[in-house]
Amino acid sequence: DAGITQSPRHKVTETGTPVTLRCHQTENHRYMYWYRQDPGHGLRLIHYSYGVKDTDKGEVSDGYSVSRSKTEDFLLTLESATSSQTSVYFCAISESNIKETQYFGPGTRLLVL
Amino acid sequence: EDKVVQSPLSLVVHEGDTVTLNCSYEVTNFRSLLWYKQEKKAPTFLFMLTSSGIEKKSGRLSSILDKKELFSILNITATQTGDSAVYLCAVELYGNKLVFGAGTILRVKS
Repeated sequence: DAGITQSPRHKVTETGTPVTLRCHQTENHRYMYWYRQDPGHGLRLIHYSYGVKDTDKGEVSDGYSVSRSKTEDFLLTLESATSSQTSVYFCAISESNIKETQYFGPGTRLLVL
Repeated sequence: EDKVVQSPLSLVVHEGDTVTLNCSYEVTNFRSLLWYKQEKKAPTFLFMLTSSGIEKKSGRLSSILDKKELFSILNITATQTGDSAVYLCAVELYGNKLVFGAGTILRVKS
């Protein structure tokens, strides 16, 4: 398995609180991605990074921010969590922008009450 | 709006059956189409297709792309209980983005 971990793996929080999810890789891959997975929607891209301090928005970026201060870590922050952000969050990494090389992390289950 | 639609949403088969999963798409800037298998955890990569009519094969699984009719199929022959999973189709766009379908839930009964 690719060296990619996510923390926490499960989290319950209240509406209005800030939440940060961490993705950590040991592969030294350039690209990192955050997706959310919801029933009926498949996976949807939130944000991605193509290098340290280089990030861009995906299709569902509203309410989320990201940071990548070093190659191995990509943080996803919900500034003020809402119930609509209850989801399973997957991080992914890839060596190049060829999606065949993209590997997914184990996921984080987030419940916003 | 870019769209990927998978069908059926779910199906139940018996071991040994052959199944065909469908993926149709309407997107701008198509680059490739990918299939993933997801078993209660992270999706794992199966195939990437870029050219029409060229079958990709891995054991009992195979897939083909039709860029004229904008669809792909994933075939699984001689199904086993270990094939039970959610199968995801995704279309890669130029600009480093993937658009996923909602998935097909496959259950193989012994």
